[in-house]
Amino acid sequence: GQSLEQPSEVTAVEGAIVQINCTYQTSGFYGLSWYQQHDGGAPTFLSYNALDGLEETGRFSSFLSRSDSYGYLLLQELQMKDSASYFCAPRGAMDSSYKLIFGSGTRLLVRP
Amino acid sequence: DAGITQSPRHKVTETGTPVTLRCHQTENHRYMYWYRQDPGHGLRLIHYSYGVKDTDKGEVSDGYSVSRSKTEDFLLTLESATSSQTSVYFCAISESEAGELFFGEGSRLTVL
Repeated sequence: GQSLEQPSEVTAVEGAIVQINCTYQTSGFYGLSWYQQHDGGAPTFLSYNALDGLEETGRFSSFLSRSDSYGYLLLQELQMKDSASYFCAPRGAMDSSYKLIFGSGTRLLVRP
Repeated sequence: DAGITQSPRHKVTETGTPVTLRCHQTENHRYMYWYRQDPGHGLRLIHYSYGVKDTDKGEVSDGYSVSRSKTEDFLLTLESATSSQTSVYFCAISESEAGELFFGEGSRLTVL
């Protein structure tokens, strides 16, 4: 079966660090993507981890542990504009093709 | 930004009427997708296409059909709209099967 868990909401203070966790179960696993979506906007790609470890892109980092079926998105030096929903999306196999599976996302609220 | 446009951006219709949403891309990407987004459900894949006239079902395909007669256009049709199909519909494109998705701005459909 397939399942995906991430917290529904996270609140943090401007300038702080926040970690958004994601646990997943898929039929076949190829990698974990993260997308950001501001209210009223379209999702935009943030990062992709195919291998274990930490990938850093500016203030954002993403981590993957394939053995634990676990990943997280780390946002540093939080800014007000980081208030958005964040989706982890494992890429699993479905009927011999590769599909992104999106969960309900984590709504991040950054407070002054 | 990826050249992807959706039309119409907003539509209100009545139960039982047919509705067609259009996704147009200028990137010549092979893969195109239709997702719906509802509160509490995140993004759910409706149908996708892996080439002209090549389409397949996603996780919530009942009540929807698609067509792709040209690389640049991917149409989503609701043959007889129901209130449960009230949603925001996102089209996405990707260059490869495992590549990142680029999303359109979304089409908000209300079925009364």
